[in-house]
Amino acid sequence: NAGVTQTPKFQVLKTGQSMTLQCAQDMNHEYMSWYRQDPGMGLRLIHYSVGAGITDQGEVPNGYNVSRSTTEDFPLRLLSAAPSQTSVYFCASSYERSPGGYTFGSGTRLTVV
Amino acid sequence: SQKIEQNSEALNIQEGKTATLTCNYTNYSPAYLQWYRQDPGRGPVFLLLIRENEKEKRKERLKVTFDTTLKQSLFHITASQPADSATYLCALPFSGGYNKLIFGAGTRLAVHP
Repeated sequence: NAGVTQTPKFQVLKTGQSMTLQCAQDMNHEYMSWYRQDPGMGLRLIHYSVGAGITDQGEVPNGYNVSRSTTEDFPLRLLSAAPSQTSVYFCASSYERSPGGYTFGSGTRLTVV
Repeated sequence: SQKIEQNSEALNIQEGKTATLTCNYTNYSPAYLQWYRQDPGRGPVFLLLIRENEKEKRKERLKVTFDTTLKQSLFHITASQPADSATYLCALPFSGGYNKLIFGAGTRLAVHP
């Protein structure tokens, strides 16, 4: 049982480049979300999804896109990377109807130079 | 807007003592509150959930209280061990979002032998 799998673990981008952070879960969770974690600021919600075909914005959505074509996958796209997007990104999933706690991936450490 | 406050200063305690961490929130009344543990370089791990109608919840050496009048949760680790050293995050659902969580910045706990 893999849980939540994020790839890559580390990435360095140049300003203006685009990339996709991958997230997959094998627990049949309806709810998936992306957070970024910066020192002293805690986890901030970027985008979330309550099921396949349904996505919505969180607190800090600018510069990011998401899609949810299957229950298992929830990729996060950086459209044109900026140094302000240097952060650690976490994907999380849970059952939608019962707040039993999120399962987090191990994170992607992104540096934009 | 909703705010969660956790003590940003690290908590240093001696092995065997009880660690007490605080989570304060403002501007709304959440249906529940969650606590997570995060180790360096890893994603948060869910520990406990307490609902608004529960005053206290226990799990092994962990105890959580939830005071909706004070808008505060206390997280206790009894008989602490060096292995309990980590950052502890509290999380609440966004107002109007049952499963969408806002996280505090966390408090780092260091348990010394």
